[in-house]
Amino acid sequence: KQEVTQIPAALSVPEGENLVLNCSFTDSAIYNLQWFRQDPGKGLTSLLLIQSSQREQTSGRLNASLDKSSGRSTLYIAASQPGDSATYLCAVRGNAGNMLTFGGGTRLMVKP
Amino acid sequence: SQTIHQWPATLVQPVGSPLSLECTVEGTSNPNLYWYRQAAGRGLQLLFYSVGIGQISSEVPQNLSASRPQDRQFILSSKKLLLSDSGFYLCAWSPLRKETQYFGPGTRLLVL
Repeated sequence: KQEVTQIPAALSVPEGENLVLNCSFTDSAIYNLQWFRQDPGKGLTSLLLIQSSQREQTSGRLNASLDKSSGRSTLYIAASQPGDSATYLCAVRGNAGNMLTFGGGTRLMVKP
Repeated sequence: SQTIHQWPATLVQPVGSPLSLECTVEGTSNPNLYWYRQAAGRGLQLLFYSVGIGQISSEVPQNLSASRPQDRQFILSSKKLLLSDSGFYLCAWSPLRKETQYFGPGTRLLVL
């Protein structure tokens, strides 16, 4: 059974810092991995999707990497802003079935 | 462009009462549809998914059921709510089974 863990659970940084969020998964037989953002009381917004054959994806100040063999992904946020404050969720999809397995999320606070 | 709607946004129901949450998608046809629950302090859990009208798959045994009476309508129901059914319910859609999922705004359910 796939298990996804995100560390840290919560993070508070001053504005302007570069930061890294970590995601690890136990079963390396994945189809793809996604990073989502969730604002309080809202739905999820997809940020980046990395296929199992890819090493990284970039969108603006966000860069996500994938090391499938070691079961790890990182989300790098450059020059953080207060508007980046949210919960960031990592989810992996296995090769079989239709299930996305989510991590518990990292709650990020960027202080002005 | 595609949009996904959920209602109601918030619901407070007594234990033992019935439940009906609705999700509709606009701007696409034959989407894959999903129901997730996000309980306090826990990650997202996939409850049901559907690849077509009348086709429902359940990922976990529970007190809830789902139906898809129309191509772009997905309904989550219960005949008798339990306290443990409280949570944040999210509907999502994807164009294909293993592609990015797009989430609705969610319904917060409190069972008292």
